[in-house]
Amino acid sequence: KAGVTQTPRYLIKTRGQQVTLSCSPISGHRSVSWYQQTPGQGLQFLFEYFSETQRNKGNFPGRFSGRQFSNSRSEMNVSTLELGDSALYLCASNIHRGAPQETQYFGPGTRLLVL
Amino acid sequence: GESVGLHLPTLSVQEGDNSIINCAYSNSASDYFIWYKQESGKGPQFIIDIRSNMDKRQGQRVTVLLNKTVKHLSLQIAATQPGDSAVYFCAENNPAAGNKLTFGGGTRVLVKP
Repeated sequence: KAGVTQTPRYLIKTRGQQVTLSCSPISGHRSVSWYQQTPGQGLQFLFEYFSETQRNKGNFPGRFSGRQFSNSRSEMNVSTLELGDSALYLCASNIHRGAPQETQYFGPGTRLLVL
Repeated sequence: GESVGLHLPTLSVQEGDNSIINCAYSNSASDYFIWYKQESGKGPQFIIDIRSNMDKRQGQRVTVLLNKTVKHLSLQIAATQPGDSAVYFCAENNPAAGNKLTFGGGTRVLVKP
């Protein structure tokens, strides 16, 4: 079974631009979560989507948004990019049988550099 | 766990020795814990998990210990190999927070041949 895939793998943008990142979960997984990883802040939760609905949100500004499609694929968008948005953006999926204790499996991430 | 920023704690271990990586978690209500391994240029890879109704769980060459009294988690790697060199993260899940994982700052493991 294929793992979580993320596209693109690398991205360079300039301040003020916007960016859209894509995530395809493991087949059969219905929940998708996004995390930001930086050297300064470590791994931080952005949001989680299930059944095309945002179920949970971290402490990030409204410039960060996401959505999920009916096939469970997810996208996240960052508008008006700032230098501090440079990071590795990670997507994770889990089956979601309804229990809270489910392992999340991560993709390889999208490395975003904002110049 | 708290992020330690740029300066990750580093554990240097001789190939073949056992490694012990420690993690202090933050929320006494957390009931599920996961250890991830992250190699350079890759996403975190699941190693082993443990639920709060257990205090020990063993996998292949790895053992996780949970001490809820002091909110401490550890990962033991037996017979450490060069391929074990990576950054290791513990993560906790508070059921009230849904699927949101809170990660520790990570520990870098360097295996010396």
